[in-house]
Amino acid sequence: DTGVSQDPRHKITKRGQNVTFRCDPISEHNRLYWYRQTLGQGPEFLTYFQNEAQLEKSRLLSDRFSAERPKGSFSTLEIQRTEQGDSAMYLCASSSSRAGDYNEQFFGPGTRLTVL
Amino acid sequence: GQNIDQPTEMTATEGAIVQINCTYQTSGFNGLFWYQQHAGEAPTFLSYNVLDGLEEKGRFSSFLSRSKGYSYLLLKELQMKDSASYLCAVRPITGGGNKLTFGTGTQLKVEL
Repeated sequence: DTGVSQDPRHKITKRGQNVTFRCDPISEHNRLYWYRQTLGQGPEFLTYFQNEAQLEKSRLLSDRFSAERPKGSFSTLEIQRTEQGDSAMYLCASSSSRAGDYNEQFFGPGTRLTVL
Repeated sequence: GQNIDQPTEMTATEGAIVQINCTYQTSGFNGLFWYQQHAGEAPTFLSYNVLDGLEEKGRFSSFLSRSKGYSYLLLKELQMKDSASYLCAVRPITGGGNKLTFGTGTQLKVEL
């Protein structure tokens, strides 16, 4: 396994359009996270899945954002009616949940979204 | 709520030692992580502390004092490739799961 992968790496869209990003986690990881990062800031938590269940959503995640992990493997993050303020790097991470481990999160390369 | 503070920028000389501090105030605590992030790349895991004390891993060490809400990352024998942003992140025990709350990151510049 080569790690967490994300697609696309870059996305340029016009305001008002919908966009969808995909994340493929490390195969044996049951937890998957989405974060958003803007320039000069640390990643901000958006949502997290354990297997296919979405267990937590940040208040940052407005109604225009939706995430799914239908089979407990890959995940998608959709942004509807994009706004210029949505421009950011969207990072996906995965981790295990084994007792006694650090359960550190492994991050993907991110999808950089630019909304014109 | 969560509040994590770390310096915005630091500069150090190749071969030297640098200490990057992080203070936090969180509603719960279940571990503190340090990540390294090079420009345009994903964060990569460096260290983890959940008990007080020092954890050493090669040229990198991380210290935690839970009573003071304080951690530092120590980088020894600095190399040019260590120029990056260093992110302090706390895992709260409340809210569930394993989500991380990150600081803004400390941009370290290593000079000759």
